[in-house]
Amino acid sequence: GDSVTQMEGPVTLSEEAFLTINCTYTATGYPSLFWYVQYPGEGLQLLLKATKADDKGSNKGFEATYRKETTSFHLEKGSVQVSDSAVYFCALSLENDMRFGAGTRLTVKP
Amino acid sequence: DTEVTQTPKHLVMGMTNKKSLKCEQHMGHRAMYWYKQKAKKPPELMFVYSYEKLSINESVPSRFSPECPNSSLLNLHLHALQPEDSALYLCASSQDGAAGLYEQYFGPGTRLTVT
Repeated sequence: GDSVTQMEGPVTLSEEAFLTINCTYTATGYPSLFWYVQYPGEGLQLLLKATKADDKGSNKGFEATYRKETTSFHLEKGSVQVSDSAVYFCALSLENDMRFGAGTRLTVKP
Repeated sequence: DTEVTQTPKHLVMGMTNKKSLKCEQHMGHRAMYWYKQKAKKPPELMFVYSYEKLSINESVPSRFSPECPNSSLLNLHLHALQPEDSALYLCASSQDGAAGLYEQYFGPGTRLTVT
């Protein structure tokens, strides 16, 4: 079945470090891909999305490119801040069904 | 306005109680969702309403009963819950669920504790 696999972490970085969170997917069709972020005690917020191959989603310095050949959608940020500390979920969507990865907890230290 | 609101924020209920969770959106979205999220886990889909009709029910026990009174409102009625049902319950909406193209907007959730 359709699924998402992401590095589980936790990931701990110093402020201004480079971030990569790996995400790969398995799908029978052509899904849309998303990154969501969840801050403590809150719901999920959409960070970025891509709906077709080679699309690049970007927001707040975060980027991810839909790579059909490697079935990947890795999240990157060039310089993380303490305020980026949260749990990040990669997700795919086909029809009404959204499937989430396990989530990656990121902690950024000053 | 890209807000999905949920009430209450916190709920503590006994196993014999009946309670309801409420969700509201005013973005004109035609698909609404209920998810259950346990600690340190991703959200699990429970129900999907598309154009006010239940389109997906992910084998959820009957002690959870969804209701969509109109296109802006979504309720989740709770009855005879078990302690293992304690979790964060998230509501979400999207423009149209059918194509899978549209992102879902999530509410802040209701933290449910069953005693």
